[in-house]
Amino acid sequence: EPEVTQTPSHQVTQMGQEVILRCVPISNHLYFYWYRQILGQKVEFLVSFYNNEISEKSEIFDDQFSVERPDGSNFTLKIRSTKLEDSAMYFCASRGEQARNQPQHFGDGTRLSIL
Amino acid sequence: GNSVTQMEGPVTLSEEAFLTINCTYTATGYPSLFWYVQYPGEGLQLLLKATKADDKGSNKGFEATYRKETTSFHLEKGSVQVSDSAVYFCALSDRNSGNTPLVFGKGTRLSVIA
Repeated sequence: EPEVTQTPSHQVTQMGQEVILRCVPISNHLYFYWYRQILGQKVEFLVSFYNNEISEKSEIFDDQFSVERPDGSNFTLKIRSTKLEDSAMYFCASRGEQARNQPQHFGDGTRLSIL
Repeated sequence: GNSVTQMEGPVTLSEEAFLTINCTYTATGYPSLFWYVQYPGEGLQLLLKATKADDKGSNKGFEATYRKETTSFHLEKGSVQVSDSAVYFCALSDRNSGNTPLVFGKGTRLSVIA
């Protein structure tokens, strides 16, 4: 069964550095998402992406964050200047069909640790 | 706004016990409802879903029924196994929203002991 893949599985970065988290969504999917989960807390929506632009973003997704689909397969999340509170598990998800009740498929996540 | 409330964990059960994890929701529209499971060290996997009132989602022995009158989507399993130990997330997506981000509950950790 096709899967969403994320790399790296664990990223350790110094505070203030830029970090790029990578995702390869399922190949025929059209809708892409990033979520994060701070340790012990709920999974929170960051941003959704469709047709090469952001569809919706949460208040967490401030100017430090950006997303890009640089080619036909990758979907990246960039954090420009990381802060300690950015430490979390970041999940990428994708959805294929137009119908809004279709489920999102998640990757295994990237654990981001900011020192 | 939309929100999901799950029972607090952790839940510890013996093998073959009956499981219920409560989930209630608040939504402005008519949401679709999901249960996701996160096994240790892994990502979120869809367990089951229901898209309209009275629908029952089921998978791997787990069931949940979409109850519009009580705004609930409780997860049940008749006989749990050690391999069911994981964190379970109830989630909704508002079908009236543009690109339907999922709204998750806080998750309930289940530990099943032999």
